[in-house]
Amino acid sequence: AQTVTQSQPEMSVQEAETVTLSCTYDTSENNYYLFWYKQPPSRQMILVIRQEAYKQQNATENRFSVNFQKAAKSFSLKISDSQLGDTAMYFCAFMKHNSGAGSYQLTFGKGTKLSVIP
Amino acid sequence: SAVISQKPSRDICQRGTSLTIQCQVDSQVTMMFWYRQQPGQSLTLIATANQGSEATYESGFVIDKFPISRPNLTFSTLTVSNMSPEDSSIYLCSVEGRLAGTRYFGPGTRLTVT
Repeated sequence: AQTVTQSQPEMSVQEAETVTLSCTYDTSENNYYLFWYKQPPSRQMILVIRQEAYKQQNATENRFSVNFQKAAKSFSLKISDSQLGDTAMYFCAFMKHNSGAGSYQLTFGKGTKLSVIP
Repeated sequence: SAVISQKPSRDICQRGTSLTIQCQVDSQVTMMFWYRQQPGQSLTLIATANQGSEATYESGFVIDKFPISRPNLTFSTLTVSNMSPEDSSIYLCSVEGRLAGTRYFGPGTRLTVT
């Protein structure tokens, strides 16, 4: 079974600064996807960024970028120029295709609570 | 990305009663997923719902407690039956996006059982 570990339960960052959230995972699969989801107090789960394991290039979405280290099974999220609206829970997630069920199996980490301080 | 709505957005229910949560998607999707998020916790998959067939439940979840309907390709319901305070959670509906390996979530239903 896949496991996703987020070792930082809480973090804080000053507005306009940069912060990196850590995520490691354990799998024997070679093809899979990795995600970062953001859940603000409104509780809506928002897809922040997606990485395909077979792509070496790190995914980026505006101020959000990842450092994907496949051999180390590490997938960290960097938020640049932090904004107050970035305050949220951030969940790292691993997805693989479950051929038996005909769907993708998604496993979440426990989350990191990020606070952006004015 | 898909636009997903859920009703109700929140509810406070008495112990022993049942609540049905609705999930509506703005496009046809093959699979819909129901998740539970207990207070301060991550998301746990309850079941996968395909149109026209029985839902597939994850370990620890049973149909008698969480019956699911999937009458068409844009709609699903999850019922939380015979509720107890331990059922107090956020319940989220989810669908797979067009891009392989993506999943989108509804706004969630916050359930409090007293």
